[in-house]
Amino acid sequence: AQTVTQSQPEMSVQEAETVTLSCTYDTSESDYYLFWYKQPPSRQMILVIRQEAYKQQNATENRFSVNFQKAAKSFSLKISDSQLGDAAMYFCAYRSAKETSGSRLTFGEGTQLTVNP
Amino acid sequence: DVKVTQSSRYLVKRTGEKVFLECVQDMDHENMFWYRQDPGLGLRLIYFSYDVKMKEKGDIPEGYSVSREKKERFSLILESASTNQTSMYLCASSLSRLTDTQYFGPGTRLTVL
Repeated sequence: AQTVTQSQPEMSVQEAETVTLSCTYDTSESDYYLFWYKQPPSRQMILVIRQEAYKQQNATENRFSVNFQKAAKSFSLKISDSQLGDAAMYFCAYRSAKETSGSRLTFGEGTQLTVNP
Repeated sequence: DVKVTQSSRYLVKRTGEKVFLECVQDMDHENMFWYRQDPGLGLRLIYFSYDVKMKEKGDIPEGYSVSREKKERFSLILESASTNQTSMYLCASSLSRLTDTQYFGPGTRLTVL
C-alpha cells in the first residue's frame, strides 16, 4: 500500500517570502501522479498543482512549483512571493496510474501554513 | 463551473442515532468519494463509487455504509453513530476512472455526543 508523509505539521512565512513544504511517499509503482491540495479556512479543497511521475520536468503553476525527486520519493511544494491568501492547510496526495486504483487518492497528514504580514 | 454540495455544514447527533450525510454533484461525474478528515491524520478514504449502485471500500469503511441510487448523489450512512465518528466528512467527485482531478464539497463537521 502507498503511504504519504508530511513531516511538518506547521510552517510559517513572511509575506512576499518563499516557503517550501515537504512531502515524501512510499510506493512500489513506477507510474503515478502526485498532487498538492490547499484547504483554506472555508474548508473548500482546491487543487494547487499536479505532477505526473513519468515527466522529469517539475510542474509549475504561477507562484507554485514543485521539486519532484523520483528516486528519493520526494515531492516538495515551493510557494514564491507568499501572499496572505496562501494561508491554509496544504495536503500532499498520491494516485496510482493503474486503472484498477479507480482514481482514489492517498493523502498526507497536512501542513498548516501561516503567512505573517 | 464544477459544483459539489453537501447537505449540512454542521451536524450534531447523539450516540446510537442513524446519520445520513448527503453529497450531490452537478457535473455528471462517474466517480464519487467519501473521506474523513482528522487532525494529524489527513484525509482517509471511507468508501467510493464508480457508478450507480456500485461501491468499493476504502481504507476505513468500518462503521459506515454508502448508497448511490442516482449518478449525482452519494450518501454516507452511519448506522449507529458513535463518539469516535466525530469528524469532518468531505465528499469528492471525479469525471471517470481515467481522470484524477477530484472536486471537493465544503465538508460536514459532524459531532456525536
